[in-house]
Order: sequence, then C-alpha cells, then structure tokens
Amino acid sequence: DVKVTQSSRYLVKRTGEKVFLECVQDMDHENMFWYRQDPGLGLRLIYFSYDVKMKEKGDIPEGYSVSREKKERFSLILESASTNQTSMYLCASSLPPRAEKLTDTQYFGPGTRLTVL
Amino acid sequence: GNSVTQMEGPVTLSEEAFLTINCTYTATGYPSLFWYVQYPGEGLQLLLKATKADDKGSNKGFEATYRKETTSFHLEKGSVQVSDSAVYFCALNLDWGTSYGKLTFGQGTILTVHP
Repeated sequence: DVKVTQSSRYLVKRTGEKVFLECVQDMDHENMFWYRQDPGLGLRLIYFSYDVKMKEKGDIPEGYSVSREKKERFSLILESASTNQTSMYLCASSLPPRAEKLTDTQYFGPGTRLTVL
Repeated sequence: GNSVTQMEGPVTLSEEAFLTINCTYTATGYPSLFWYVQYPGEGLQLLLKATKADDKGSNKGFEATYRKETTSFHLEKGSVQVSDSAVYFCALNLDWGTSYGKLTFGQGTILTVHP
C-alpha cells in the first residue's frame, strides 16, 4: 500500500515564524502536491512537483514556497506565517499520468492542522 | 477555467436511506472524474473514478456515471450506513498530457448518517 506521511498532525505557530511542513512518500512517485483545505472551499493546490528539484505553482502559491531535494520528500515552507494561513494542509503523491489514465490516482497523507496565532 | 460544483451540504440521512450527492463540472478537453472520501481525522482516499464518457465507477456500494451530455458525475448509494459518515469530494483531472495529473476539487459535501 502507498503510504504518505506528514511530519505533524497539529502545529501551533506565532505570526511571523518560519514554518516547515514535511511530507514523505514511500512509493517512488514522481509527482507530489501540497493542498490547503478550508471549509466551503474544498482543496486548493498550493504547489506541486513532478521531479526532484522541479516545482510548479498551483492556484494559491502566495506566501508559500516548497523544496524537493529528494524524490520521496516534499516540504512546504511558510516564510513568515500569518493568521490567514491557519488551515488544514494536505500532501499527496502520484505517478505521472499515463496514456491509459490508470495511474493518476493521488494518494493523500493524514493532514497537518496548522494554527497561526 | 476548469471547475467542479457539488451540492451544498451538510447532508443528514438515516441508516439505509438512499444517497445522492450531485456533482457537475466545467472543463475544456476530456477530463477523468473522481470521488474522494475523507473520514474523520484522516486524509482523502480515492472512492471511485471514471475516465471516459458513460463509464461507471463503483466501490463499496457507491456508484457514479460519467455523463458527458450533462457534464455530471453524481454519487449514489442505495443504502447508507453510519460508517459512511464523511466528507465527499468530487474532482476532475484534465488530459494527462498537459496537467501533470493536477486535480481540481469541488468544495466537499459533509454526510452524516444517523442510526
């Protein structure tokens, strides 16, 4: 079974702090994703990566950066946390889509609930 | 742009009731369509999917049919259980050649099933 783990289930940080959220997957997936989940808004893509050291902005990248130095690990960084970044953060991984469209399932971690005070 | 619209919740049902959660989409090209489920305290997991028009995805008693003519992918279950209480997300993935497998999600529908 695919396993995606996130470093913390709950985090409480202060405004202005630098925050690191870590995600590790054990299935050698090329693609990794960071989403935030807010009530009534569903999941919104922050950043994704399709290979080591490669990254692309998603729909809401402002205030965030990412790092992917190893294939299995994808980090989300809040350079200076703000209260409007209080949210649930979900990491996911997948194989690249193939012609058969059979391998584009995303596998999710349990989430990190971040509170910024 | 691409978007997914789900029926607003929350939805509250009694055990063994029939469930429908509506999902419609707007997309250019030919998307794959998904339903993901999030049980309390957990991440999302794939419930079912369909990759082309008229395909039916099914799993754990849930079904959804990809209707290109109505751009819909409604989720149904004939008899819900308390253990089905969760948040359900409809999502689409555009043509693999251009999107790296990015998903566009609906806003989610909370389902609560009472005994």
